[in-house]
Amino acid sequence: DTAVSQTPKYLVTQMGNDKSIKCEQNLGHDTMYWYKQDSKKFLKIMFSYNNKELIINETVPNRFSPKSPDKAHLNLHINSLELGDSAVYFCASRDIFYEQYFGPGTRLTVT
Amino acid sequence: AQSVAQPEDQVNVAEGNPLTVKCTYSVSGNPYLFWYVQYPNRGLQFLLKYITGDNLVKGSYGFEAEFNKSQTSFHLKKPSALVSDSALYFCAVRRTLDMRFGAGTRLTVKP
Repeated sequence: DTAVSQTPKYLVTQMGNDKSIKCEQNLGHDTMYWYKQDSKKFLKIMFSYNNKELIINETVPNRFSPKSPDKAHLNLHINSLELGDSAVYFCASRDIFYEQYFGPGTRLTVT
Repeated sequence: AQSVAQPEDQVNVAEGNPLTVKCTYSVSGNPYLFWYVQYPNRGLQFLLKYITGDNLVKGSYGFEAEFNKSQTSFHLKKPSALVSDSALYFCAVRRTLDMRFGAGTRLTVKP
Protein backbone atom coordinates (compact mmCIF):
# COMPACT_ATOMS: atom_id res chain seq x y z
CA ASP A 1 0.00 0.00 0.00
CA THR A 2 2.39 2.63 -1.33
CA ALA A 3 1.58 6.12 -0.04
CA VAL A 4 2.84 8.12 -3.04
CA SER A 5 3.40 6.26 -6.28
CA GLN A 6 4.79 7.41 -9.60
CA THR A 7 4.87 5.84 -13.01
CA PRO A 8 7.02 5.16 -14.84
CA LYS A 9 10.12 4.71 -12.71
CA TYR A 10 12.41 5.12 -15.71
CA LEU A 11 11.76 6.99 -18.91
CA VAL A 12 14.21 7.12 -21.80
CA THR A 13 13.16 9.13 -24.81
CA GLN A 14 14.47 11.24 -27.64
CA MET A 15 14.61 14.99 -27.95
CA GLY A 16 11.44 16.52 -29.28
CA ASN A 17 9.12 13.83 -27.92
CA ASP A 18 6.21 14.42 -25.55
CA LYS A 19 5.93 12.35 -22.37
CA SER A 20 3.86 12.15 -19.21
CA ILE A 21 4.59 11.10 -15.66
CA LYS A 22 1.77 10.07 -13.37
CA CYS A 23 1.52 10.46 -9.62
CA GLU A 24 -1.02 9.17 -7.15
CA GLN A 25 -1.27 9.48 -3.38
CA ASN A 26 -3.57 7.48 -1.12
CA LEU A 27 -2.94 9.57 2.01
CA GLY A 28 -5.93 11.85 1.64
CA HIS A 29 -3.71 14.94 1.44
CA ASP A 30 -4.98 18.09 -0.24
CA THR A 31 -1.61 19.40 -1.43
CA MET A 32 0.72 17.83 -3.96
CA TYR A 33 4.00 18.89 -5.56
CA TRP A 34 6.33 18.20 -8.43
CA TYR A 35 10.07 18.57 -7.86
CA LYS A 36 13.01 18.27 -10.19
CA GLN A 37 16.30 16.88 -8.88
CA ASP A 38 19.25 17.58 -11.11
CA SER A 39 22.51 15.69 -11.46
CA LYS A 40 23.99 17.63 -8.53
CA LYS A 41 21.08 16.43 -6.37
CA PHE A 42 19.66 19.92 -5.98
CA LEU A 43 15.91 19.73 -5.36
CA LYS A 44 13.84 22.41 -7.07
CA ILE A 45 10.11 22.84 -6.73
CA MET A 46 8.22 23.08 -10.00
CA PHE A 47 4.51 23.08 -9.21
CA SER A 48 2.09 22.71 -6.34
CA TYR A 49 -1.60 21.95 -6.35
CA ASN A 50 -4.04 22.29 -3.49
CA ASN A 51 -7.30 20.43 -3.95
CA LYS A 52 -6.90 20.41 -7.74
CA GLU A 53 -5.99 24.11 -7.96
CA LEU A 54 -2.57 25.33 -9.02
CA ILE A 55 -0.99 27.34 -6.21
CA ILE A 56 2.69 27.36 -7.12
CA ASN A 57 4.15 27.66 -10.58
CA GLU A 58 7.87 28.34 -10.33
CA THR A 59 9.87 29.52 -13.32
CA VAL A 60 9.41 26.41 -15.36
CA PRO A 61 9.25 26.38 -19.17
CA ASN A 62 5.69 26.22 -20.41
CA ARG A 63 6.56 22.92 -22.10
CA PHE A 64 5.82 21.50 -18.65
CA SER A 65 2.13 21.27 -17.85
CA PRO A 66 0.76 19.75 -14.67
CA LYS A 67 -2.75 18.36 -14.45
CA SER A 68 -4.70 17.36 -11.39
CA PRO A 69 -7.87 15.43 -12.29
CA ASP A 70 -8.65 14.99 -8.59
CA LYS A 71 -6.84 15.70 -5.36
CA ALA A 72 -5.26 12.24 -5.26
CA HIS A 73 -3.57 12.61 -8.65
CA LEU A 74 -1.07 15.05 -10.06
CA ASN A 75 0.35 14.30 -13.48
CA LEU A 76 3.14 16.04 -15.34
CA HIS A 77 3.17 16.35 -19.10
CA ILE A 78 6.29 17.52 -20.90
CA ASN A 79 6.24 18.66 -24.52
CA SER A 80 9.17 18.86 -26.90
CA LEU A 81 11.66 17.28 -24.56
CA GLU A 82 15.16 18.75 -24.41
CA LEU A 83 18.46 17.31 -23.21
CA GLY A 84 18.36 19.62 -20.18
CA ASP A 85 15.13 18.02 -19.02
CA SER A 86 17.06 14.91 -18.04
CA ALA A 87 16.69 14.62 -14.27
CA VAL A 88 14.82 12.76 -11.58
CA TYR A 89 11.30 14.05 -11.05
CA PHE A 90 9.66 13.58 -7.67
CA CYS A 91 6.05 13.86 -6.76
CA ALA A 92 5.15 14.61 -3.14
CA SER A 93 2.10 15.25 -1.01
CA ARG A 94 1.85 17.22 2.19
CA ASP A 95 -0.06 16.65 5.39
CA ILE A 96 -1.59 19.26 7.70
CA PHE A 97 1.61 19.32 9.79
CA TYR A 98 3.61 20.30 6.71
CA GLU A 99 5.41 16.96 6.42
CA GLN A 100 5.95 15.98 2.83
CA TYR A 101 5.75 12.43 1.55
CA PHE A 102 7.74 11.70 -1.56
CA GLY A 103 7.24 9.22 -4.33
CA PRO A 104 10.10 7.00 -5.51
CA GLY A 105 10.99 9.30 -8.39
CA THR A 106 10.99 9.05 -12.17
CA ARG A 107 14.39 9.10 -13.83
CA LEU A 108 13.97 10.84 -17.17
CA THR A 109 16.76 10.52 -19.71
CA VAL A 110 16.52 12.51 -22.93
CA THR A 111 18.85 11.42 -25.71
CA ALA B 1 12.80 35.08 2.37
CA GLN B 2 12.78 31.78 4.22
CA SER B 3 15.85 29.72 3.38
CA VAL B 4 18.26 27.15 4.73
CA ALA B 5 21.92 26.53 4.04
CA GLN B 6 23.93 23.36 4.39
CA PRO B 7 27.58 24.46 4.48
CA GLU B 8 29.06 21.01 3.87
CA ASP B 9 28.65 19.06 0.64
CA GLN B 10 30.16 15.97 2.19
CA VAL B 11 30.61 14.60 5.70
CA ASN B 12 32.69 11.52 6.40
CA VAL B 13 32.64 9.68 9.71
CA ALA B 14 33.76 6.32 10.99
CA GLU B 15 31.17 3.82 12.10
CA GLY B 16 30.46 4.13 15.81
CA ASN B 17 31.52 7.77 15.97
CA PRO B 18 29.06 10.60 16.53
CA LEU B 19 27.92 12.46 13.46
CA THR B 20 26.74 16.00 12.83
CA VAL B 21 25.23 17.37 9.63
CA LYS B 22 24.96 21.15 9.72
CA CYS B 23 22.11 23.41 8.74
CA THR B 24 21.60 27.12 9.27
CA TYR B 25 18.40 28.98 8.57
CA SER B 26 17.23 32.43 7.65
CA VAL B 27 13.58 33.09 8.39
CA SER B 28 11.31 35.84 9.55
CA GLY B 29 9.12 34.78 12.41
CA ASN B 30 9.15 31.33 13.98
CA PRO B 31 10.71 28.69 11.77
CA TYR B 32 9.30 25.29 10.91
CA LEU B 33 12.42 23.22 10.19
CA PHE B 34 12.74 19.71 8.83
CA TRP B 35 15.32 17.06 8.04
CA TYR B 36 14.86 14.53 5.25
CA VAL B 37 17.05 11.64 4.13
CA GLN B 38 17.45 10.28 0.62
CA TYR B 39 18.88 6.82 0.08
CA PRO B 40 20.22 5.92 -3.39
CA ASN B 41 17.50 5.70 -6.03
CA ARG B 42 14.78 6.54 -3.54
CA GLY B 43 12.57 9.48 -2.71
CA LEU B 44 13.14 11.67 0.30
CA GLN B 45 12.00 10.35 3.68
CA PHE B 46 11.02 12.49 6.64
CA LEU B 47 13.36 12.23 9.65
CA LEU B 48 12.22 14.89 12.09
CA LYS B 49 10.93 18.42 12.46
CA TYR B 50 10.97 21.39 14.78
CA ILE B 51 7.91 23.59 15.10
CA THR B 52 7.92 24.76 18.68
CA GLY B 53 8.76 23.53 22.16
CA ASP B 54 11.81 21.56 23.20
CA ASN B 55 14.95 22.58 21.31
CA LEU B 56 16.11 18.97 21.06
CA VAL B 57 13.98 17.04 18.63
CA LYS B 58 14.15 13.28 18.30
CA GLY B 59 13.36 11.53 15.06
CA SER B 60 13.59 8.31 13.12
CA TYR B 61 16.54 5.89 13.08
CA GLY B 62 18.10 7.38 16.23
CA PHE B 63 18.61 10.83 14.76
CA GLU B 64 18.04 14.03 16.65
CA ALA B 65 18.42 17.71 15.89
CA GLU B 66 19.06 20.72 18.03
CA PHE B 67 17.31 23.99 17.33
CA ASN B 68 19.52 26.92 18.30
CA LYS B 69 17.83 30.28 17.91
CA SER B 70 20.86 32.42 18.76
CA GLN B 71 23.00 30.64 16.16
CA THR B 72 20.09 30.17 13.72
CA SER B 73 21.09 26.54 13.38
CA PHE B 74 19.32 23.21 13.24
CA HIS B 75 22.08 20.61 13.12
CA LEU B 76 21.31 16.93 12.70
CA LYS B 77 23.07 14.56 15.06
CA LYS B 78 23.43 10.92 15.93
CA PRO B 79 25.51 9.59 18.82
CA SER B 80 26.83 6.53 16.99
CA ALA B 81 26.89 6.36 13.19
CA LEU B 82 26.05 3.22 11.22
CA VAL B 83 27.26 2.34 7.73
CA SER B 84 23.59 2.19 6.76
CA ASP B 85 23.24 5.90 7.62
CA SER B 86 25.22 6.71 4.49
CA ALA B 87 22.85 8.80 2.38
CA LEU B 88 22.02 12.32 1.25
CA TYR B 89 20.53 14.56 3.94
CA PHE B 90 18.40 17.61 3.29
CA CYS B 91 17.49 20.36 5.69
CA ALA B 92 14.30 22.25 4.83
CA VAL B 93 12.22 25.20 6.01
CA ARG B 94 8.52 25.67 5.61
CA ARG B 95 7.46 28.64 3.53
CA THR B 96 3.93 29.97 3.11
CA LEU B 97 2.96 27.64 0.30
CA ASP B 98 5.82 25.19 0.05
CA MET B 99 9.09 24.02 1.53
CA ARG B 100 12.55 25.24 0.61
CA PHE B 101 15.26 22.57 0.72
CA GLY B 102 18.96 23.02 1.28
CA ALA B 103 21.47 21.79 -1.28
CA GLY B 104 21.97 18.53 0.58
CA THR B 105 24.89 16.95 2.43
CA ARG B 106 26.22 13.56 1.48
CA LEU B 107 27.04 11.53 4.57
CA THR B 108 29.43 8.63 4.22
CA VAL B 109 29.97 6.33 7.17
CA LYS B 110 32.99 4.09 6.80
CA PRO B 111 33.32 0.73 8.56
